[in-house]
Amino acid sequence: NAGVTQTPKFQVLKTGQSMTLQCAQDMNHEYMSWYRQDPGMGLRLIHYSVGAGITDQGEVPNGYNVSRSTTEDFPLRLLSAAPSQTSVYFCASSIELFGEQYFGPGTRLTVT
Amino acid sequence: AQKVTQAQTEISVVEKEDVTLDCVYETRDTTYYLFWYKQPPSGELVFLIRRNSFDEQNEISGRYSWNFQKSTSSFNFTITASQVVDSAVYFCALSDDAIQGAQKLVFGQGTRLTINP
Repeated sequence: NAGVTQTPKFQVLKTGQSMTLQCAQDMNHEYMSWYRQDPGMGLRLIHYSVGAGITDQGEVPNGYNVSRSTTEDFPLRLLSAAPSQTSVYFCASSIELFGEQYFGPGTRLTVT
Repeated sequence: AQKVTQAQTEISVVEKEDVTLDCVYETRDTTYYLFWYKQPPSGELVFLIRRNSFDEQNEISGRYSWNFQKSTSSFNFTITASQVVDSAVYFCALSDDAIQGAQKLVFGQGTRLTINP
């Protein structure tokens, strides 16, 4: 099992550019989430999914889109990057509600 | 509203000392779950423990122990005989809300623990 994988590990964007952060898991988990980590603020939920075809917004969804066409993949799209989106992004999955979340290694994004 | 407070931003101790990381939470729900995660310098997040609100028994796992006290809304984490490898940022998290069947996890700000040799 690879667990939760994320690509790329690092990315630099210019303001206004768009990109997709990839997340995949091979544990057949229904629940997947995207978080961003900013200094001094812990992790904040961006979007989540309870299964293929079902997604919804978390605490800080503005500027991001998600889709879940398969159980395995949960990409996060930045529509028009802004410096405020400079952060470390983590994808997570869990097998059960309120269960342990398995986190990917993170993507460090810088927007200039 | 949910809230998790880790008042200790940074702690630095000498190896072999015991150290306690504090976590205070706020919730209106009677059913909720508390978690601790470790983030070592390599950056990944590692699950340490989950505790539900109906189980106030303390937990011990090797050098790690957790003290859950509903009366003070605290879920503190103690490392006994600390080691350099324990150096990391530790996050406490709370989930009391299933949004449409999905878990909403609220994290504290984290405590950076440095163990000096």
